[in-house]
Amino acid sequence: SQTIHQWPATLVQPVGSPLSLECTVEGTSNPNLYWYRQAAGRGLQLLFYSVGIGQISSEVPQNLSASRPQDRQFILSSKKLLLSDSGFYLCAWSPGSSTDTQYFGPGTRLTVL
Amino acid sequence: AQSVTQLDSHVSVSEGTPVLLRCNYSSSYSPSLFWYVQHPNKGLQLLLKYTSAATLVKGINGFEAEFKKSETSFHLTKPSAHMSDAAEYFCVVSVGPRGGSQGNLIFGKGTKLSVKP
Repeated sequence: SQTIHQWPATLVQPVGSPLSLECTVEGTSNPNLYWYRQAAGRGLQLLFYSVGIGQISSEVPQNLSASRPQDRQFILSSKKLLLSDSGFYLCAWSPGSSTDTQYFGPGTRLTVL
Repeated sequence: AQSVTQLDSHVSVSEGTPVLLRCNYSSSYSPSLFWYVQHPNKGLQLLLKYTSAATLVKGINGFEAEFKKSETSFHLTKPSAHMSDAAEYFCVVSVGPRGGSQGNLIFGKGTKLSVKP
C-alpha cells in the first residue's frame, strides 16, 4: 500500500531564516505531488504541484519554492522566511493516471517568530 | 467555474444522534466530489468520493453522502455520532476535466463538528 511521509512534524524558525520541508511517497511510481498551506482562517491553499521529476507548477507567487529531485520526493523551500509563512503545510499525492483523488500526508506545523 | 460552499462553519451534535454536514457545489460539467476529515494537527483523510457511479456513496467510519444533481448538493451524513467523529470536515470538488492528471481540487472552508457526550 501507499504511504506518504512529511518531516519535520513541527518547526519553529526565526524570520529571515531558510526553510526546507520534505515529503516522500512510498508504494507508487510517477505520482503527482502537491504542496498545500493551511493558515488560520484562510482554508487550504494549493502552493505547488508536480507531474514529474523537475516539473513544478506554482499556483501562488510568494517567497517559497518547490523542487522534485526524485520521483517520489517533493521539497518545499524558502531562502528567507516571513511571518506570514506560518501555517500548516500539507503534502499530497495522486496517481499519475487519470484520477483526481489526492491523499494527504500528516503535515508540518511551521511557526515563524 | 467550479466552486463549493459548506453551509455551516460549525455543527454540534450529541453522541448517538445523526450527523448532517451540508455542501453545495457549482460545476460546469459532471464533477468529482469528495469529503475529507481532519483531526487537530493531522493531515486530511479521505472519507469518500463521488465519481458518477452510484449517487449514494458509502465511506469509512459509517459516513455516507448523496449526490443530488438537481439540488447541486453533496451532503455528508452519519446515523449515529461518536465522540471520535469530532473533527473538521471538508467538502471538495475537482476542477480538472475528467481524465486530467493535475487533479486540482477546490476546498470548502470546512465544517467543525463537535460531539457532546
